[in-house]
Amino acid sequence: NAGVMQNPRHLVRRRGQEARLRCSPVKGHSHVYWYRQLPEEGLKFMVYLQKENIIDESGMPKERFSAEFPKEGPSILRIQQVVRGDSAAYFCASSPQYRAGSPLHFGNGTRLTVT
Amino acid sequence: AQRVTQPEKLLSVFKGAPVELKCNYSYSGSPELFWYVQYSRQRLQLLLRHISRESIKGFTADLNKGETSFHLKKPFAQEEDSAMYYCALSGRKDAGGTSYGKLTFGQGTILTVHP
Repeated sequence: NAGVMQNPRHLVRRRGQEARLRCSPVKGHSHVYWYRQLPEEGLKFMVYLQKENIIDESGMPKERFSAEFPKEGPSILRIQQVVRGDSAAYFCASSPQYRAGSPLHFGNGTRLTVT
Repeated sequence: AQRVTQPEKLLSVFKGAPVELKCNYSYSGSPELFWYVQYSRQRLQLLLRHISRESIKGFTADLNKGETSFHLKKPFAQEEDSAMYYCALSGRKDAGGTSYGKLTFGQGTILTVHP
């Protein structure tokens, strides 16, 4: 079991470009979470998805950010018209149906740098 | 609002010394608390959770609701314990009353154990 796979590991974008971050959850996991870690800060929740549904997007910026988890294929976090403040590490985590105390399985993250 | 505070960004001890990583939380309901660890060049992984009352790698953590704390302790630190440690809280329930993996993380504590 390869665990949660995120790609790319590093992504460099110029201001105004689009960034697409991919996350393949652990096989059999149908719940995906995205977290963002800004420099010198802890991880901050962005969005929680189940297959084809967004369950909680309370941590997503209102504009330019979107996420999906289609029936087939990886979950995608999309950032349009990136700005320097989007530079961060973006982590994906997955779980099977959640039970109290269940761990999240994290990927290695994608480090986005906006120049 | 949920909040997790780890007051120490850096903590250094010598091998064999006791270690305590502090974590305080703010949450009005009944929280689930976790410690996650990230070793060098590895992904974030669950260390332990309060609901299990377990000891992992010699670490224990007791939930103190009166002091709203969940400090991580180990009586005799080892060099391989050097890592980044995050305290995390889950307090969000869905409509059915089931928790899901929306975690609020502290800023993390870098533990260095010297030989």
